[in-house]
Amino acid sequence: NAGVMQNPRHLVRRRGQEARLRCSPMKGHSHVYWYRQLPEEGLKFMVYLQKENIIDESGMPKERFSAEFPKEGPSILRIQQVVRGDSAAYFCASSPNAGTGGRDEQFFGPGTRLTVL
Amino acid sequence: AQKVTQAQTEISVVEKEDVTLDCVYETRDTTYYLFWYKQPPSGELVFLIRRNSFDEQNEISGRYSWNFQKSTSSFNFTITASQVVDSAVYFCALAENSGGYQKVTFGIGTKLQVIP
Repeated sequence: NAGVMQNPRHLVRRRGQEARLRCSPMKGHSHVYWYRQLPEEGLKFMVYLQKENIIDESGMPKERFSAEFPKEGPSILRIQQVVRGDSAAYFCASSPNAGTGGRDEQFFGPGTRLTVL
Repeated sequence: AQKVTQAQTEISVVEKEDVTLDCVYETRDTTYYLFWYKQPPSGELVFLIRRNSFDEQNEISGRYSWNFQKSTSSFNFTITASQVVDSAVYFCALAENSGGYQKVTFGIGTKLQVIP
């Protein structure tokens, strides 16, 4: 059973370009979470999605950022018109169920390192 | 709101020394989970342990051990006889129920450097 997959692992963009980060959850997992790790900081929750639904996007910047998890295919985190401050590692996690009280552990992918020049 | 505090931002030890990484958390839930992750220089997150709030037994896994104390809201991590390969950033994390799903809060991390 393959783990959570993220691609690309490294992404370089110039200011103003768009960045698309992909996350394929573990087989059988229908819940996806995105986290951002700024340099020298811990991971911060961005958004939680189930198939075709955004459940909680309270941690995602209101502008330029969007996320989706279509019925078929990977989850996509999209950043439009990137700025230097978007440079970070973006981690995706998946779980089989939402769980309550953390019963269903989130399994993390290897992350995508975004560098904005 | 939940919060995880790792007061030690950087620690340096000489190889074979023991080292303890501190983690203090805040939560209003009675049911929650605590985690430790290792992030080596390559950047991926390596899961080390998960502990639920009802299980206060200490755990040992090889050179790693964890001390969970609900009375002080702490979940400390000790590495015995440290090795150079232990050099990494270590994150403590807390998962609690938030509107029917788990929300994970990470500490800022403790950077451990083991000097040969």
